[in-house]
Amino acid sequence: KAGVTQTPRYLIKTRGQQVTLSCSPISGHRSVSWYQQTPGQGLQFLFEYFSETQRNKGNFPGRFSGRQFSNSRSEMNVSTLELGDSALYLCASSFSGPDTQYFGPGTRLTVL
Amino acid sequence: AQSVTQLDSQVPVFEEAPVELRCNYSSSVSVYLFWYVQYPNQGLQLLLKYLSGSTLVKGINGFEAEFNKSQTSFHLRKPSVHISDTAEYFCAVNRISSGSARQLTFGSGTQLTVLP
Repeated sequence: KAGVTQTPRYLIKTRGQQVTLSCSPISGHRSVSWYQQTPGQGLQFLFEYFSETQRNKGNFPGRFSGRQFSNSRSEMNVSTLELGDSALYLCASSFSGPDTQYFGPGTRLTVL
Repeated sequence: AQSVTQLDSQVPVFEEAPVELRCNYSSSVSVYLFWYVQYPNQGLQLLLKYLSGSTLVKGINGFEAEFNKSQTSFHLRKPSVHISDTAEYFCAVNRISSGSARQLTFGSGTQLTVLP
């Protein structure tokens, strides 16, 4: 089975712009979660989608949003980018139940 | 709410020596426990997990971990490390309750550096 894929792998944006990141889960997985990883804050949960519905959201401002499509692919959007949004954004998928999440390689976002 | 403490931010060890990376967690409900490894410029790879059953779990690359409920610990061990084990290791928990969202809570990570 193919693993979790994320596109693009690298992005450079400037402050004030918006960005959309994409995640394709493992085939058959219906849950997709997003995490932000920074040197200062570590790994932090952003949100989780299951069957096109957001089930849980972490403590991030409303500039961070996401959605999930009927084929379980997910996108996350960050509007009005700030320097502090520079991070590695990781997507993870799981089949069902709060058990194992499988992670993609991440998208490295740099905000200048 | 859950929390995870990885007691050592950096662990240097010589090649072929044993290593233990420590992880303690706090939770008011039962949890699943995980160890992930992250190599430079890569995502997280699952090393091993404890869902139920035997408290000693074996993972990939010769790693194992023991779940200790009374001490709320889930320490990761390897009897003999290789240079290729140099990476950052993350302990994580997720609560078990049915219908729960898949929200992993991570520790701050332990950088394992294997020295020649």
